[in-house]
Amino acid sequence: AQSVTQLDSQVPVFEEAPVELRCNYSSSVSVYLFWYVQYPNQGLQLLLKYLSGSTLVKGINGFEAEFNKSQTSFHLRKPSVHISDTAEYFCAVPNAGNMLTFGGGTRLMVKP
Amino acid sequence: DTEVTQTPKHLVMGMTNKKSLKCEQHMGHRAMYWYKQKAKKPPELMFVYSYEKLSINESVPSRFSPECPNSSLLNLHLHALQPEDSALYLCASSRGTGASQPQHFGDGTRLSIL
Repeated sequence: AQSVTQLDSQVPVFEEAPVELRCNYSSSVSVYLFWYVQYPNQGLQLLLKYLSGSTLVKGINGFEAEFNKSQTSFHLRKPSVHISDTAEYFCAVPNAGNMLTFGGGTRLMVKP
Repeated sequence: DTEVTQTPKHLVMGMTNKKSLKCEQHMGHRAMYWYKQKAKKPPELMFVYSYEKLSINESVPSRFSPECPNSSLLNLHLHALQPEDSALYLCASSRGTGASQPQHFGDGTRLSIL
């Protein structure tokens, strides 16, 4: 089964600064990858997905991610964060039957 | 607004109670899922329903009993739960069970077992 690893459990950043949340996936012939965000006391919301094609994927709320096959990475980036981006971010990969396997999560803490 | 609706939002129950969690979607999705999420942890898959049939059970204890009455509804029946079952229970749906189908999540039911 495929898996993903999120390298940082917490990322503190000041408002309006850029941010990168790191995700590495286990190598496979083909892979689909997702980033989800979970705001406090809410469920998960899909930020973006990589299925095929362009390696730069744009998502909602100004986020984007780059699929890098040689480094088996799918890092999430935003050029300028807002206080409202404070949340838990999960990288995920689907296995057979669309069983989602999540990374451990990265808590993004945006400070004023 | 989430397109997957879960009720109730909060539930407190004793270990001898029987209760049910409900999930509803009207996106025409044919796959539905239950996840359990402990504090500060990622969600863990419990069950997958495809076309109203249980397709995956991730070795979940029998005190959790899923039910899919129709393509829009998913229930999770709870009986004789343990304190360690306290968690956020998330429902999700997707168009199908193909790996390219992203899942849409509800806001969850926060369950506390006394």
